[in-house]
Amino acid sequence: DTGVSQDPRHKITKRGQNVTFRCDPISEHNRLYWYRQTLGQGPEFLTYFQNEAQLEKSRLLSDRFSAERPKGSFSTLEIQRTEQGDSAMYLCASSLEGGVSFFGQYFGPGTRLTVT
Amino acid sequence: AQSVSQHNHHVILSEAASLELGCNYSYGGTVNLFWYVQYPGQHLQLLLKYFSGDPLVKGIKGFEAEFIKSKFSFNLRKPSVQWSDTAEYFCAVTPNFGNEKLTFGTGTRLTIIP
Repeated sequence: DTGVSQDPRHKITKRGQNVTFRCDPISEHNRLYWYRQTLGQGPEFLTYFQNEAQLEKSRLLSDRFSAERPKGSFSTLEIQRTEQGDSAMYLCASSLEGGVSFFGQYFGPGTRLTVT
Repeated sequence: AQSVSQHNHHVILSEAASLELGCNYSYGGTVNLFWYVQYPGQHLQLLLKYFSGDPLVKGIKGFEAEFIKSKFSFNLRKPSVQWSDTAEYFCAVTPNFGNEKLTFGTGTRLTIIP
């Protein structure tokens, strides 16, 4: 069990640029979640995948945000035309379907985005 | 939609003191409840969880939490804290069905003074 990994760990970008983050879940986990955490707040749900299907998106996820999970393995989160308000920690988590009750979700270390 | 309230934003205790962190949730149905901990420089880790059965649940490192359904509460306790418990603690809830997305509280920063 290598855990959930995220890349990069830190990203500094200028306003208006596009950025892409990657998440590799625990290999046997079929559910993958993206959350966003800003200073002084708990993580907020953005979107989730079951296998390769994106089944729910939060209202927080504007049209500038897109997420994919090709082949139901790793996932990418892209932010187009970044704004300063996008600065946050982006967290990825994975779980087995029905496993949250028993094992919880496993979180990665996060990608800290700073938009200047 | 569900929500979680953590009223203690920052708690400072001396080593060996007892700890209780409050968590209240709002949801009309059956829920699963969690406490996650984030140590400095580390990622979120599951501390303990409740999904059914005995409302008093025990987690790692001597932590426990009690689910009181009538009060919509899931407070975290530890009888004697250690300096290594310094961390941020998050309460979270998910409905007992569906996509199991977590709704988190704003977190409580715990500082233990040696």
